[in-house]
Amino acid sequence: EPEVTQTPSHQVTQMGQEVILRCVPISNHLYFYWYRQILGQKVEFLVSFYNNEISEKSEIFDDQFSVERPDGSNFTLKIRSTKLEDSAMYFCATSGTGTIHEQYFGPGTRLTVT
Amino acid sequence: QKEVEQNSGPLSVPEGAIASLNCTYSDRGSQSFFWYRQYSGKSPELIMFIYSNGDKEDGRFTAQLNNASQYVSLLIRDSQPSDSATYLCAVNSNSGYALNFGKGTSLLVTP
Repeated sequence: EPEVTQTPSHQVTQMGQEVILRCVPISNHLYFYWYRQILGQKVEFLVSFYNNEISEKSEIFDDQFSVERPDGSNFTLKIRSTKLEDSAMYFCATSGTGTIHEQYFGPGTRLTVT
Repeated sequence: QKEVEQNSGPLSVPEGAIASLNCTYSDRGSQSFFWYRQYSGKSPELIMFIYSNGDKEDGRFTAQLNNASQYVSLLIRDSQPSDSATYLCAVNSNSGYALNFGKGTSLLVTP
């Protein structure tokens, strides 16, 4: 069964550094999403991406964040100048083009900012 | 602020019983409703979705939607210890595909 994959599984970085989180979507999916989940809190939407453009973003997704699909396979989330409060699980999700757009989540990247 | 509310639990049911998980949402424009299961330290796993009023059954799972009351529920029949997890309700609106999640209900199925 096709799966969303994410790398790395765990990233430790120092405050102020830049990180790039990577996702490989399910092959025939065209909609891509990033969510985050701070420990003990709910899953929060960050951004959605379709046809090489951001289609929606939340208030969390400010200028510190960017997304791109650099090579037609990977979908990346870049976080510039990381802060302690960016520590969270970051999940990539993808959906196809059906009416409902049910989203399938990758295993996540645990980001720890020290 | 569009809210999705769930009782945090834990909801404890004996093995073989029916577990009933509930979710309310504030956005009347909500169109599609999803139930995810999340084991500790893992990612959300899609169980079911529902988009029209009424019931939808898939194996041991039944999702129920009541648009008028802004209420969606998940029933798990013949609960198994392996069903012990946090169940997340997620909703999207007619303005896009972003999912708005509740905080989840922790379910414990005891042998």
